[in-house]
Amino acid sequence: EADIYQTPRYLVIGTGKKITLECSQTMGHDKMYWYQQDPGMELHLIHYSYGVNSTEKGDLSSESTVSRIRTEHFPLTLESARPSHTSQYLCASSASNSPLHFGNGTRLTVT
Amino acid sequence: AQSVAQPEDQVNVAEGNPLTVKCTYSVSGNPYLFWYVQYPNRGLQFLLKYITGDNLVKGSYGFEAEFNKSQTSFHLKKPSALVSDSALYFCAVRGGSSNTGKLIFGQGTTLQVKP
Repeated sequence: EADIYQTPRYLVIGTGKKITLECSQTMGHDKMYWYQQDPGMELHLIHYSYGVNSTEKGDLSSESTVSRIRTEHFPLTLESARPSHTSQYLCASSASNSPLHFGNGTRLTVT
Repeated sequence: AQSVAQPEDQVNVAEGNPLTVKCTYSVSGNPYLFWYVQYPNRGLQFLLKYITGDNLVKGSYGFEAEFNKSQTSFHLKKPSALVSDSALYFCAVRGGSSNTGKLIFGQGTTLQVKP
């Protein structure tokens, strides 16, 4: 079972709202990641972190921001949601070169 | 630059038949290769990995993959497909020249196993 948790699972929100997608892991992993995925499509890395107070932008440009104040927590924030942000957001974590562990994702719809 | 290619958008196979999902890669240094599976409305689940050693890697749910350095391939295989294997499969690679931990994913292959 997953040791990495994402909330909410589904979110429908209006344009212009500020949202935060939560991601927590209980494995003590130093590395955490956010991927964006349209349904049935490839994954795009949008943010990653190699430890507390360390965050980097990924390969796909995103208007979202992240923070890593605690090892176990890696929230993603959109200051002003737009319909173009509609997608699935997957959080993952890993230790060194071990496989990534994924959460079940948050499916975001912006109306 | 690192890249991964999964040349087939979809693979169809009858239950009980062998299946192959193809993956080729391009990295600098020695590759770290992974296969993940994604069921509808779920995150990705790790199936197997190749880091070093035996070219034939065995993983979860009866899946295996063969690392072929000369062909830069890492095809996923299973001797006898099940209907429950129907899902979206992703190949991923991490270049061995750095320990950044960033994975590059292929575009995914939908496996459809028919009864």
